[in-house]
Amino acid sequence: GQNIDQPTEMTATEGAIVQINCTYQTSGFNGLFWYQQHAGEAPTFLSYNVLDGLEEKGRFSSFLSRSKGYSYLLLKELQMKDSASYLCAAMDSNYQLIWGAGTKLIIKP
Amino acid sequence: EAGVVQSPRYKIIEKKQPVAFWCNPISGHNTLYWYRQNLGQGPELLIRYENEEAVDDSQLPKDRFSAERLKGVDSTLKIQPAELGDSAVYLCASSFTQGTFFGQGTRLTVV
Repeated sequence: GQNIDQPTEMTATEGAIVQINCTYQTSGFNGLFWYQQHAGEAPTFLSYNVLDGLEEKGRFSSFLSRSKGYSYLLLKELQMKDSASYLCAAMDSNYQLIWGAGTKLIIKP
Repeated sequence: EAGVVQSPRYKIIEKKQPVAFWCNPISGHNTLYWYRQNLGQGPELLIRYENEEAVDDSQLPKDRFSAERLKGVDSTLKIQPAELGDSAVYLCASSFTQGTFFGQGTRLTVV
């Protein structure tokens, strides 16, 4: 079956760095997405990886290893506004997104 | 550029009543999705359209849910009759090549 695993909750300190891991099993693979979702709001697109390696976008970076079925989202210089849920989603061979349950990130001062 | 627009933002109805949600995707996006999301969970796909064709509706509870996408643009999702367990956020999303973009969602409360 198809499956996405990510931690349920993580806590980090303002100004620090946090890494949110995601492992996936899909029928075929057409890319890995990360979304940010604040409470009561819709998910917003953060990143897309389809090749192995690290993609950097400002304070956020996303890494993919296709051979390991593994990705992580790295958040640097954490700010209070980064408190949100971070959703990992893998696209299968039918171009359907398989969603994880999300990782709730709590930022403490 | 306007994003995905959904209406209404909030809806409270009594059980057994019908309800409908509307979605206007990003212009040019051929793929449209309806998702349901419960608190603390990821989005659950209900139906996916490629233009006017529903290419994946395997997760849609067809006894009470229906959807349509006329002219391959706007879409409506209907629930009739609603049940208490249908309380959730209903998200519409559209995509073109890379990235799926979501509307603000409709928060449905069935009482």
